[in-house]
Amino acid sequence: EAQVTQNPRYLITVTGKKLTVTCSQNMNHEYMSWYRQDPGLGLRQIYYSMNVEVTDKGDVPEGYKVSRKEKRNFPLILESPSPNQTSLYFCASSSDRRPYEQYFGPGTRLTVT
Amino acid sequence: AQTVTQSQPEMSVQEAETVTLSCTYDTSENNYYLFWYKQPPSRQMILVIRQEAYKQQNATENRFSVNFQKAAKSFSLKISDSQLGDTAMYFCAFMKLLQTGANNLFFGTGTRLTVIP
Repeated sequence: EAQVTQNPRYLITVTGKKLTVTCSQNMNHEYMSWYRQDPGLGLRQIYYSMNVEVTDKGDVPEGYKVSRKEKRNFPLILESPSPNQTSLYFCASSSDRRPYEQYFGPGTRLTVT
Repeated sequence: AQTVTQSQPEMSVQEAETVTLSCTYDTSENNYYLFWYKQPPSRQMILVIRQEAYKQQNATENRFSVNFQKAAKSFSLKISDSQLGDTAMYFCAFMKLLQTGANNLFFGTGTRLTVIP
């Protein structure tokens, strides 16, 4: 089954404790991206990647890091989380041939206290 | 960044009635896609309908249809025969087509739709 998986689905952590949210897709997609969703703001892009070792900032990259060492994985790293990073996070992927078909992961609810 | 505006934060509709959600966008591009996504309480992002900018014909998917006005940069979603399962947050989104492969989606702030029994 074609899918994008995210782990963990829920996470409560404390300020400053480094964490990683994993994203994996099994469709050999070139493009992957991370969004955060906040009430009243919709979804905003954090980072995206057009292929292995090719990443770029989205609209709200501050406080986040990403890497793309393998085509299937695109982890989101918060090296020193702060309460303003409490949000719902989505990973998405698509192929270059059909860019309009974006596959979304199930979301990760992160709370930073 | 592209701008997508949804001016209706909340809407409600009686079951079996028709409702229209509004969306406007700002771009200087000529080649792009527009989308409506549905997010039910499960939080999953579900594609409702897609419109290619080069197509003049409005997209339809069963009870869902759009009114795409390219010159006015307007992209509204009409839901006919509303059902309780249509209760969700609806997001309008824009994607410009780039040769580089940067297939970035730009979202509006969402409209929360409640279908009343």
